[in-house]
Amino acid sequence: QKEVEQNSGPLSVPEGAIASLNCTYSDRGSQSFFWYRQYSGKSPELIMFIYSNGDKEDGRFTAQLNKASQYVSLLIRDSQPSDSATYLCAVKPRLDSSYKLIFGSGTRLLVRP
Amino acid sequence: DVKVTQSSRYLVKRTGEKVFLECVQDMDHENMFWYRQDPGLGLRLIYFSYDVKMKEKGDIPEGYSVSREKKERFSLILESASTNQTSMYLCASSTSLKPQHFGDGTRLSIL
Repeated sequence: QKEVEQNSGPLSVPEGAIASLNCTYSDRGSQSFFWYRQYSGKSPELIMFIYSNGDKEDGRFTAQLNKASQYVSLLIRDSQPSDSATYLCAVKPRLDSSYKLIFGSGTRLLVRP
Repeated sequence: DVKVTQSSRYLVKRTGEKVFLECVQDMDHENMFWYRQDPGLGLRLIYFSYDVKMKEKGDIPEGYSVSREKKERFSLILESASTNQTSMYLCASSTSLKPQHFGDGTRLSIL
C-alpha cells in the first residue's frame, strides 16, 4: 500500500462546477497535510495546508481533513480552465523536524470551458 | 516571498559525465531537498539536508551524492551520468515549521 494515495485522473469538470480531489494516507500519526498545484512543465506550488480536523477555506479552495478516516480532500469552487493542472497531496509523517513530506502521485484536473 | 533558485532550467549532458545541479535559497531555511519527477512515478526524494554538512538519503540515492557547504546552497551531483537519470530535478527548501517551497526545476537530458 502506498503511503499517500490519489486517483491519477484525469478528473474532468465543466467550468463553474466544484472539483473534488481526494487523498488517503496510511500513517495514522501524520501531523500536517498539504496541497500543491503543478502546471505542466512547471514546479509544484503550495496552495493549501491543514493541520486540524475539519475544513479550512481560502478563496475558492477548501481543504478538508478527517484524521479518523485518514482522508484529506481539496474542493475547488467555481472551477476555471486555469485550474487545469495536477494536484499533489503531501503528508508530513508524525513528529519529524526535518519537514520531509510524503507526496502522492497527483490527480490531473481538467476544467472544460 | 521564498525564493529557491536552480542554476539551469535545461541541461544536456553525455553518459559518464559528472554533473552538478545547484540550488540556492534566500530565506535562511535549514532544510533542503532534491527530488526527481518522472511521468507515472511522481516525486521521489533523492537526498535531503537539515543543516550545513548534514545529509540523509531519500528513497532513491543510488548514483547521486550531495553537498551542503553553506546553508543557502545545496548541490546534487551525478557521479557518472547515465541515460536513466534523464528526468526533471526539483529542489525545495523549508524550515521545521513551514512547508516546502520548490525551485523552477531543471530538466536534465543524458545522451
